[in-house]
Amino acid sequence: DGGITQSPKYLFRKEGQNVTLSCEQNLNHDAMYWYRQDPGQGLRLIYYSQIVNDFQKGDIAEGYSVSREKKESFPLTVTSAQKNPTAFYLCASAQGLVDTIYFGEGSWLTVV
Amino acid sequence: QQPVQSPQAVILREGEDAVINCSSSKALYSVHWYRQKHGEAPVFLMILLKGGEQKGHDKISASFNEKKQQSSLYLTASQLSYSGTYFCGTVTNNNDMRFGAGTRLTVKP
Repeated sequence: DGGITQSPKYLFRKEGQNVTLSCEQNLNHDAMYWYRQDPGQGLRLIYYSQIVNDFQKGDIAEGYSVSREKKESFPLTVTSAQKNPTAFYLCASAQGLVDTIYFGEGSWLTVV
Repeated sequence: QQPVQSPQAVILREGEDAVINCSSSKALYSVHWYRQKHGEAPVFLMILLKGGEQKGHDKISASFNEKKQQSSLYLTASQLSYSGTYFCGTVTNNNDMRFGAGTRLTVKP
């Protein structure tokens, strides 16, 4: 079935560690997105990519990094520079400006 | 750059109606509406394109005023299953999808 796969579902990070969240889609979508959601809050845009090997910062990019080496993959690295990374992370994809945006199931990241 | 949603929260009895508003300071290409249950991914409701239009299915509909960069979601004869947090997402010509802070809707028996 077509869709977006995020992994892991739950992840724990120690202070000072970098962690990478995986996002894979088989929908052949050009655009991919990463959002952060804190409890009771909205979705804030971290990074987005419209084509392979290109991506743009969103509103809260500091402390995060991404890559887009393949069309179907858009991994997010939460670096040690992100001081408060505990949140729910959602990856999404869409074909274009008028297309529905499809979400993955999300990843819960907790700092221990 | 995020759209502004209002109200922040709504409490309804079954069968009552609600309106959720979304506005942006930027020129929009499209507006998307989603509903999210706690701990789950948002679920798509509908998309409205620039040019100004109104859409709906069942008892949920929405409008988009391109001139004002505003959209409204209308929930009529609410059901228990309508409970959740509603988000509007706005897309500009940069293909950047941004979401509002959400409106928490609670429907009580």
